[in-house]
Amino acid sequence: GAGVSQTPSNKVTEKGKYVELRCDPISGHTALYWYRQSLGQGPEFLIYFQGTGAADDSGLPNDRFFAVRPEGSVSTLKIQRTERGDSAVYLCASSLQGVGEQYFGPGTRLTVT
Amino acid sequence: KQEVTQIPAALSVPEGENLVLNCSFTDSAIYNLQWFRQDPGKGLTSLLLIQSSQREQTSGRLNASLDKSSGRSTLYIAASQPGDSATYLCAAYDSSYKLIFGSGTRLLVRP
Repeated sequence: GAGVSQTPSNKVTEKGKYVELRCDPISGHTALYWYRQSLGQGPEFLIYFQGTGAADDSGLPNDRFFAVRPEGSVSTLKIQRTERGDSAVYLCASSLQGVGEQYFGPGTRLTVT
Repeated sequence: KQEVTQIPAALSVPEGENLVLNCSFTDSAIYNLQWFRQDPGKGLTSLLLIQSSQREQTSGRLNASLDKSSGRSTLYIAASQPGDSATYLCAAYDSSYKLIFGSGTRLLVRP
């Protein structure tokens, strides 16, 4: 079956602009996670959804970052007033429930110029 | 707060060597532990998942062990090949089910 997909694969934007990154999880997976990976580092947790609700958003760095999952499937990570420090690879993962192996998408590479 | 550390940060070995990558974590109350491979500019490929009740998992030339009491996991790669060159990431599932990653070990296997 299809794995986790993320669009776009690459996004270049200017400082101050708004961006949306999309994640389409494995069908039937109720849990969805967003992570951010900076160059040379391991991924860092941003937010976890169980169904439609954000069960843990403790990793969001500030209020410029927001994520939604309105129907419990596709999720969108939204970044307002982008800064050069937001440049990173944004990874999405899903799991069958909150417990269990997470399956990762290919990531979106965001570059803020 | 769970912290995951990987040693060494980088490793270069000749082809054919057996090698061990180390991962340590500060909180023994982990749920599962997973090893990933990441090629340059690519996403994460899952290698092995060790559940908290298990001590090790094996897949082909790879063997991963987990010792919760000492806060350590190791990834053993037998008969290394140039195609094994990549960054290897260790990640612990904490009690809230999110993954806590180490910074990775960059492996180069020289022909």
